[in-house]
Amino acid sequence: GDSVTQMEGPVTLSEEAFLTINCTYTATGYPSLFWYVQYPGEGLQLLLKATKADDKGSNKGFEATYRKETTSFHLEKGSVQVSDSAVYFCALSDRGVFGPGTRLSVLP
Amino acid sequence: GAGVSQSPRYKVAKRGQDVALRCDPISGHVSLFWYQQALGQGPEFLTYFQNEAQLDKSGLPSDRFFAERPEGSVSTLKIQRTQQEDSAVYLCASSSGERGNTIYFGEGSWLTVV
Repeated sequence: GDSVTQMEGPVTLSEEAFLTINCTYTATGYPSLFWYVQYPGEGLQLLLKATKADDKGSNKGFEATYRKETTSFHLEKGSVQVSDSAVYFCALSDRGVFGPGTRLSVLP
Repeated sequence: GAGVSQSPRYKVAKRGQDVALRCDPISGHVSLFWYQQALGQGPEFLTYFQNEAQLDKSGLPSDRFFAERPEGSVSTLKIQRTQQEDSAVYLCASSSGERGNTIYFGEGSWLTVV
């Protein structure tokens, strides 16, 4: 069945550091790919998405490119802020198969 | 409504008690999902509706779990004879059902079984 693998956290960075959170997937066909974020005390919300190969999703300075050849959708941000501290979930397809989440803490 | 609404937000149940969790999806959304999220874990898929039809219930952990959406709008997740391992956040989500469309989540119902 479909599945998502994410790098394990927690990830702790200093403000303005570069962020990469790896995500790889296993799926049949051509799934849509998503990154969701859960800020402390809040519900899950969509961060960005890509619906076909080579598409790049972007939002709030975050980017991820749908790489079909490596079945990956890695999340990147060039300069993180304290306010980016949250749990990030990679998700697959329109039925929402989620990875386990990666907790990011950004220190001032 | 403006977003996905879930109730109750918090529920403490005694072991063996039945509970019912309600979800009001975004108006007009065809697809409705239920997930279970344990502390420190990602959401685990439970079941999926398209309108009133339950198309996938493969994630329901046991026959004590039952979900319905009789009129294709509001949904109820029922857990019978609750056990301690049922303690989790139960998330409801909805989407328009079109490929690539965003899944919108409610804030969840926190269930604690004591």
